[in-house]
Amino acid sequence: DVKVTQSSRYLVKRTGEKVFLECVQDMDHENMFWYRQDPGLGLRLIYFSYDVKMKEKGDIPEGYSVSREKKERFSLILESASTNQTSMYLCASRGDRKTNQPQHFGDGTRLSIL
Amino acid sequence: DAKTTQPPSMDCAEGRAANLPCNHSTISGNEYVYWYRQIHSQGPQYIIHGLKNNETNEMASLIITEDRKSSTLILPHATLRDTAVYYCIVRVATGSSNTGKLIFGQGTTLQVKP
Repeated sequence: DVKVTQSSRYLVKRTGEKVFLECVQDMDHENMFWYRQDPGLGLRLIYFSYDVKMKEKGDIPEGYSVSREKKERFSLILESASTNQTSMYLCASRGDRKTNQPQHFGDGTRLSIL
Repeated sequence: DAKTTQPPSMDCAEGRAANLPCNHSTISGNEYVYWYRQIHSQGPQYIIHGLKNNETNEMASLIITEDRKSSTLILPHATLRDTAVYYCIVRVATGSSNTGKLIFGQGTTLQVKP
């Protein structure tokens, strides 16, 4: 089974802090994604990566950056956390980009910015 | 992007089959239908996907109509642990890498009752 592990289930940070969310997958997947999920807005794509050191902006990249130094790890960075970034953050991974294999999700990180 | 329409909620008796419908009338020929579910406070869980043929795995069956404008997810013997929000998604391509973001709608809240 595919395993996508997010480093924290719950996280509380303060406004202005730099926040790192970590995600690791164990299936040698090329593609990795960061989404945020908010009530009434569904899942929104923040960034994705289709290879090591490669990244593309999703629909709502403002205020975020990402890092993919190793194939199995994809990090989401909140450069200066703000209260409107309080959300559930979901990481996903998927194999060969040329097929229609599904994305597999981690259990999420519920982030609160005070 | 092809949109999906699902009923907001459904009930099902424990041990009976749960049939969850989805309309995707604007689906294009090369778009797959994916089903995920999300149990409260967890990440979305992949269930099944298909293009035009019916599919079955250990979790569920997927029935796609011949014109591909609608589909039905079948949980053959629903249990209380199947209570969740079920999402029907049509995969779209994004960016030059064809990674394919997922667009989650509001889904169907399935309540399995004893």
